Amino acid sequence: DARVTQTPRHKVTEMGQEVTMRCQPILGHNTVFWYRQTMMQGLELLAYFRNRAPLDDSGMPKDRFSAEMPDATLATLKIQPSEPRDSAVYFCASGLGSITGGDPEAFFGQGTRLTVV
Amino acid sequence: AQKITQTQPGMFVQEKEAVTLDCTYDTSDPSYGLFWYKQPSSGEMIFLIYQGSYDQQNATEGRYSLNFQKARKSANLVISASQLGDSAMYFCAMRGVSGGSYIPTFGRGTSLIVHP
Repeated sequence: DARVTQTPRHKVTEMGQEVTMRCQPILGHNTVFWYRQTMMQGLELLAYFRNRAPLDDSGMPKDRFSAEMPDATLATLKIQPSEPRDSAVYFCASGLGSITGGDPEAFFGQGTRLTVV
Repeated sequence: AQKITQTQPGMFVQEKEAVTLDCTYDTSDPSYGLFWYKQPSSGEMIFLIYQGSYDQQNATEGRYSLNFQKARKSANLVISASQLGDSAMYFCAMRGVSGGSYIPTFGRGTSLIVHP
């Protein structure tokens, strides 16, 4: 049963510390998304990759957030330094969608619940 | 830019009855897709149903159907014969267009509670 795997599931860290969240997309999927979910803002797109290339990270605070795909099986989202306002659930999703074809839906991981104290 | 609006923050339904969750959208793109996801209290996002803008018929998946009215820019989710396990947050999302791929934009969600 193919699924998107995110680690860690939960993370509590102190303000100022570096946080790295990892995502293993479904094998063969060419698109990866990072979303952040909070009660106030709902689901916000932070970044997305197609064929490992970053296509849009306009939703991501550039001064502290970075997203990479070192290879096709791993996507990372890093926060350095972390702040209490970064507390949220971070979702990774992968998909095959394109205008020309392929399954259009994005499959989500179970999320990383981040708490910055 | 795409925009998704879900005007119902919360909905209540009796078990075994049908319920409609509203979703309106706005886009200038001639080609787009609409999705519904379910998020139970456990937190995962579960894909339910998809409707493409050029699809002639409304999408159906088991007890889920999508009432797609293109002229009104609405894509309401209909759940027939509600079950207690349907209690969850429901998100409407739209597929945008960027670089030949898509960027799903999500609404704020509707909380559905199914009463026994």
